[in-house]
Amino acid sequence: SAVISQKPSRDICQRGTSLTIQCQVDSQVTMMFWYRQQPGQSLTLIATANQGSEATYESGFVIDKFPISRPNLTFSTLTVSNMSPEDSSIYLCSVQDRTNEKLFFGSGTQLSVL
Amino acid sequence: RKEVEQDPGPFNVPEGATVAFNCTYSNSASQSFFWYRQDCRKEPKLLMSVYSSGNEDGRFTAQLNRASQYISLLIRDSKLSDSATYLCVVVPGGYQKVTFGTGTKLQVIP
Repeated sequence: SAVISQKPSRDICQRGTSLTIQCQVDSQVTMMFWYRQQPGQSLTLIATANQGSEATYESGFVIDKFPISRPNLTFSTLTVSNMSPEDSSIYLCSVQDRTNEKLFFGSGTQLSVL
Repeated sequence: RKEVEQDPGPFNVPEGATVAFNCTYSNSASQSFFWYRQDCRKEPKLLMSVYSSGNEDGRFTAQLNRASQYISLLIRDSKLSDSATYLCVVVPGGYQKVTFGTGTKLQVIP
């Protein structure tokens, strides 16, 4: 299994500002995934972060709003830009074990935008 | 039809009861299936994998029915600590996107 350290664990931000979330994995992984989970909802994939290339974004998510960095095989950041109250959510990073398809998650970032 | 659908919750059961959740999926080519447990405002954590032959881990039993395209989770002798949301996770295989159910909330009451 993979151990993922995610920070910050929570933040309260003002409208119009940006927040960068970091995830550090204890092993090298090809792809890292960023999810959003809105209150009472299931997980929605925002994008897949690939080392050495641009992230792949899902429908409804754009790079200008959610820029992602992946400087090496153990680290990634997700920035939530120009925040609005609608961005209030839990953001999770994840990796997948390709040998058994299991997913492992960071501890999540609970974001509240005022 | 949603890609993954779960039983509507919440399930409120007394301690010691047996409770079962079902989850149906639409992609017949899906290859891997899991149950995850998610506590309030926490990250999902793997509970168990699901196989056609069925698998058991203590009080938990998971079963996959490929013909009917559903998976199930059975919890025996429910404990207060079992209270959580249980997510059904379906992996199509290859590099296709993982699909999550909306979750079933379980509340075990004293």
